[in-house]
Amino acid sequence: DTAVSQTPKYLVTQMGNDKSIKCEQNLGHDTMYWYKQDSKKFLKIMFSYNNKELIINETVPNRFSPKSPDKAHLNLHINSLELGDSAVYFCASSPQGNEQFFGPGTRLTVL
Amino acid sequence: GQSLEQPSEVTAVEGAIVQINCTYQTSGFYGLSWYQQHDGGAPTFLSYNALDGLEETGRFSSFLSRSDSYGYLLLQELQMKDSASYFCAADGYGNKLVFGAGTILRVKS
Repeated sequence: DTAVSQTPKYLVTQMGNDKSIKCEQNLGHDTMYWYKQDSKKFLKIMFSYNNKELIINETVPNRFSPKSPDKAHLNLHINSLELGDSAVYFCASSPQGNEQFFGPGTRLTVL
Repeated sequence: GQSLEQPSEVTAVEGAIVQINCTYQTSGFYGLSWYQQHDGGAPTFLSYNALDGLEETGRFSSFLSRSDSYGYLLLQELQMKDSASYFCAADGYGNKLVFGAGTILRVKS
């Protein structure tokens, strides 16, 4: 009965690799997000989708590409990983409103 | 753009009351949210203020003054489990949340 789930929970990879993080929500929400939290715990929005349509696209390198196959899923693909991509990535969803529900996070470590 | 300022750390004792302040500068603002995050955990929603005034939810209350671009989170009857990071976040267009840098709350016995 998990509300917002992400896989994998941990991801360790080499520089230059391509990786994906998957997110699913079973709350029936229309809007989904990707956030990046750096080592100083600063939490910054990357993307937002509403009903599979891209709404927010912050200044993020185009190596990051979100994909929303349906409104319950929002995946994040990262090409040519760099050391600076190491962070915790959170997926979140929200209904028409203000409360956002966060997934458990994916800790990405780039070596 | 938007920016939010909050103290980096606050320490208080069990049973006490603590207030975490947040000031914001924003070009588009619908309301102020507060989130709690324990170490290794995900942010969880605490409260939201769209209008001026105080919102109370159990031991936690949140206040907003739009004219002062200021809000605060008030935690009463502090418990050890309240030790966590607390983030204020400004709600803008498209439900876009811009987060402050977070306040680490340490509760001591």
